[in-house]
Amino acid sequence: NAGVTQTPKFRILKIGQSMTLQCTQDMNHNYMYWYRQDPGMGLKLIYYSVGAGITDKGEVPNGYNVSRSTTEDFPLRLELAAPSQTSVYFCASNPGGSGSPLHFGNGTRLTVT
Amino acid sequence: GNSVTQMEGPVTLSEEAFLTINCTYTATGYPSLFWYVQYPGEGLQLLLKATKADDKGSNKGFEATYRKETTSFHLEKGSVQVSDSAVYFCAHAGGTSYGKLTFGQGTILTVHP
Repeated sequence: NAGVTQTPKFRILKIGQSMTLQCTQDMNHNYMYWYRQDPGMGLKLIYYSVGAGITDKGEVPNGYNVSRSTTEDFPLRLELAAPSQTSVYFCASNPGGSGSPLHFGNGTRLTVT
Repeated sequence: GNSVTQMEGPVTLSEEAFLTINCTYTATGYPSLFWYVQYPGEGLQLLLKATKADDKGSNKGFEATYRKETTSFHLEKGSVQVSDSAVYFCAHAGGTSYGKLTFGQGTILTVHP
């Protein structure tokens, strides 16, 4: 039972480069999320999606883009990497409802130098 | 606005000691409340939750009670083990649906034999 799978696990980017963080889930969850985790700061919501074809901004969306063409996949795109985007990125999903817990992937550690 | 404030860490305890990690929140309405745990190199996992006032969530010897009067959800365990060493996050669902959780900054717990 794979759950939420993120790739890659680690990546180093130079300033101005672009990349896509991949996220896929096999639980048929409608809702998917991208969070970033900075040391001592908890997790901040970047983007979320309530179903295929529907996405919306979270708390810290600047510098990122997302798409949701299928229920399973929710990639996060960084177009022009900046040092401020150095962080650990987590993808999560849930079936919906305020009492419904999130299922997290193992994260992608990104360093921009 | 919505926020979650956790007890400052890190917390260092000896095995079998009593654990309390304080958590208070601000939110509109009566959100579901969660504690997540993150082991090194992994994503967050749900530890326990409570969906309404006076509910007690419990799992693996950990407990937390939803206190509407004090807007708190403190995590407790009577006797910690070395294997409980991890980062603990308090979160709430902001009184809305979906999984747009607001997280606290996390508390690092280290348990020594």
